[in-house]
Parts: sequence; structure tokens; C-alpha cells
Amino acid sequence: KQEVTQIPAALSVPEGENLVLNCSFTDSAIYNLQWFRQDPGKGLTSLLLIQSSQREQTSGRLNASLDKSSGRSTLYIAASQPGDSATYLCAVKHNAGNMLTFGGGTRLMVKP
Amino acid sequence: NAGVTQTPKFQVLKTGQSMTLQCAQDMNHEYMSWYRQDPGMGLRLIHYSVGAGITDQGEVPNGYNVSRSTTEDFPLRLLSAAPSQTSVYFCASNRDRGYTGELFFGEGSRLTVL
Repeated sequence: KQEVTQIPAALSVPEGENLVLNCSFTDSAIYNLQWFRQDPGKGLTSLLLIQSSQREQTSGRLNASLDKSSGRSTLYIAASQPGDSATYLCAVKHNAGNMLTFGGGTRLMVKP
Repeated sequence: NAGVTQTPKFQVLKTGQSMTLQCAQDMNHEYMSWYRQDPGMGLRLIHYSVGAGITDQGEVPNGYNVSRSTTEDFPLRLLSAAPSQTSVYFCASNRDRGYTGELFFGEGSRLTVL
């Protein structure tokens, strides 16, 4: 059974720092991996989707990398801002089936 | 563009009552799904559908029913609510049956069962 882990569970940084969020998964037979952002009391917003054949995806200040063989993905946030404060979740779609397995999330606070 | 719309946003039920959480999407997506989110448990898949007339169970289907009579709508029914079903419920959709692209989420429905 696929297990997805996100470490750390919470992170607090001063504004302007570059930071890395980690996501690890136990089964490397994945179809894609998606990073989401969730604000308190809100739904999940898709940030980046990486297909299994890709190594990374970029959107603005966000860069996500994927190392399938080692079961890891990282989300890099450049020049963090208070508006980046949210919970970040990664989710993996396995090659077989139509299910996503989610990590527990990293709660990020960026202090002004 | 409305995207994925869920109603109601908040609901309080007594044990044993029934209710339906509504989900509608206007993106002509084939794949729709229901998740529940609980502290310490993360997001878990309840049921999903790959098209009108087709549904299947996810990780935690017990106590929930679904149907998909149209492409747009995917309601989640609780036939006899239990306190263990207190949770935040999210509906999500994807453009194709094989779920090859992004997953789009609704804003969530917060359910409390007393």
C-alpha cells in the first residue's frame, strides 16, 4: 500500500527566505505527483502537477522536483512571502487505479 | 467559471439522520470523487466515478452512498449519520476517466454529527 509522508509537519520562516518542503512515497510505480495548497477553511488548490516521466515543474516562485527512483519530491518556494502561509499537501497517483494517496501536509507560516 | 461547487458548506446532524451533500462541476469533467479530511488522518477517498452511471468505492466507503446520473453532479448520501462521520468533505473532479491531469477541489462541506 502506497504511503506518502511529508516532513516537517509545520514550518515557520521569516519573510524572504527560500524554503524546501519534502514529500516521500513508498511505491515508485506512480503515474504523477501533484502539489496542493490549502488555506484554512478552504478547499485544495492545485499548484504543480509532475508526470512520472518529468523531473521538475515550475510556476512563478514555485519549483517542484520528482525523483521517482528514490521516492521523493520537493517543493521549492523562492523568496517566501506572508501570503504563502498555508498548508501544502502532496498527492501521488499510482499507475494502477484511480486513487490518489495524500501526504499529511506541511503547515507553513511566513512571518513578516 | 464556477468550477466545483459544494453545498451545503456547514451542516449539523443528529445521530441516525440522513442527508445528501451536493457536488456539481461545470467543466465537463469525467472523473469525480469524494474525500473526507480528518485531523491526523489526512485526506481519504470515499467514492469516485469515472463517468455517468459508473461509481466505485474508495478507501473508506462504509456509511456512504453515491450515484452519478449526469456528468455534472455527484451527490454523496449519508443514510444514517454517525458521530464518526463528523468531518470536512471535499468533492474533486478531473477532466478524464484515467485521471491524468490536475484534480480540482470544491470549497468543502463541514459536517458535525451529534
